[in-house]
Amino acid sequence: NAGVTQTPKFQVLKTGQSMTLQCAQDMNHNSMYWYRQDPGMGLRLIYYSASEGTTDKGEVPNGYNVSRLNKREFSLRLESAAPSQTSVYFCASSELRGNTDTQYFGPGTRLTVL
Amino acid sequence: KNQVEQSPQSLIILEGKNCTLQCNYTVSPFSNLRWYKQDTGRGPVSLTIMTFSENTKSNGRYTATLDADTKQSSLHITASQLSDSASYICVVCDDKIIFGKGTRLHILP
Repeated sequence: NAGVTQTPKFQVLKTGQSMTLQCAQDMNHNSMYWYRQDPGMGLRLIYYSASEGTTDKGEVPNGYNVSRLNKREFSLRLESAAPSQTSVYFCASSELRGNTDTQYFGPGTRLTVL
Repeated sequence: KNQVEQSPQSLIILEGKNCTLQCNYTVSPFSNLRWYKQDTGRGPVSLTIMTFSENTKSNGRYTATLDADTKQSSLHITASQLSDSASYICVVCDDKIIFGKGTRLHILP
């Protein structure tokens, strides 16, 4: 099992360019998440998907869109990148077992917007 | 004000020594409290998950404790190894998942 995979690993964009970050999981989890991690701050939730076909905003959704393509894949799109979106982006998936769920994180995408 | 505060911000110890990392939170009520390990350049990996009714959980050399009365949790690492060098993140979950900023731990040989 590969767990949670993300592509690309690194990306440099110019202000105004668009791109899509890809995420896939092979654990048959229902829930998937996109986070950003900035220096000196905790991870912040951008969007999440509780199940295939549903998406909801997290703490910092502005400037992003998501697509839950199927149960395996959850993509994050930046329509017009801004320097403030320079960050490390993590995708995660989880499945509720009992009354708790363990999140499994991907390796991250390091994005720089010039 | 941060709802999950971790201390210290960073810590350096010698290989083989024990250490304790602290997490204070204001989130109440909550369903569970988690500790993650994040190696440099990698995603976080779950170490322990405790429900509000549990007060201790172990995972090998890692032991997490929870005091719901004082709203404090700690992560104790026993007999540290070089591979323990990482950031350790405390996470409190109610209807949201709230991450602390982490403690950066350096183990010196």
